[in-house]
Amino acid sequence: DTGVSQDPRHKITKRGQNVTFRCDPISEHNRLYWYRQTLGQGPEFLTYFQNEAQLEKSRLLSDRFSAERPKGSFSTLEIQRTEQGDSAMYLCASSSGANVLTFGAGSRLTVL
Amino acid sequence: AQKVTQAQTEISVVEKEDVTLDCVYETRDTTYYLFWYKQPPSGELVFLIRRNSFDEQNEISGRYSWNFQKSTSSFNFTITASQVVDSAVYFCALSEAFAGGGADGLTFGKGTHLIIQP
Repeated sequence: DTGVSQDPRHKITKRGQNVTFRCDPISEHNRLYWYRQTLGQGPEFLTYFQNEAQLEKSRLLSDRFSAERPKGSFSTLEIQRTEQGDSAMYLCASSSGANVLTFGAGSRLTVL
Repeated sequence: AQKVTQAQTEISVVEKEDVTLDCVYETRDTTYYLFWYKQPPSGELVFLIRRNSFDEQNEISGRYSWNFQKSTSSFNFTITASQVVDSAVYFCALSEAFAGGGADGLTFGKGTHLIIQP
């Protein structure tokens, strides 16, 4: 098992463009989380999936953000009409049952 | 609402010194879980420890030790005989009522940047 994989690792985009990040969790993990981390801050919870069901969304997740996890495997996080304030590291994590979260290396977004 | 405070933004010590990272938390739940994660320059958060609210025993793992005190709502982390490879950002986190970080995920502190100088 190679752990949690995230792609791309870095994305530079212009304001107003759409971006999509992908997360491949550890294969046997049924829970998947997205977090956002800005410079000098701790990760902030965005959303959570159990299998394919999105069970919780933070108020940080505006209408421009959408996350999916089709078939309960990989997940995508899309940001539409990006703004400079969206610049951050987007972290994905997965877990199984009561086990701790295993994080990926993150996808860094820079909005110009 | 839950909150985690790591008052030390940055700590710099010389290699082989002992260093303690402070963590103070707030929660209304009686059952909760506390975590420490390490984030090296590569960016990937690495799990170090999980402790539930009913277990106040201190834990030691090699050069790492943790001191959990419910009376002061603190969960401090000590590195003994620090090494350059310990340089990283360390995060304390809290999860209410679920061991892995349930529907609300984990609440993280802002982190402490630890610099170990050779």
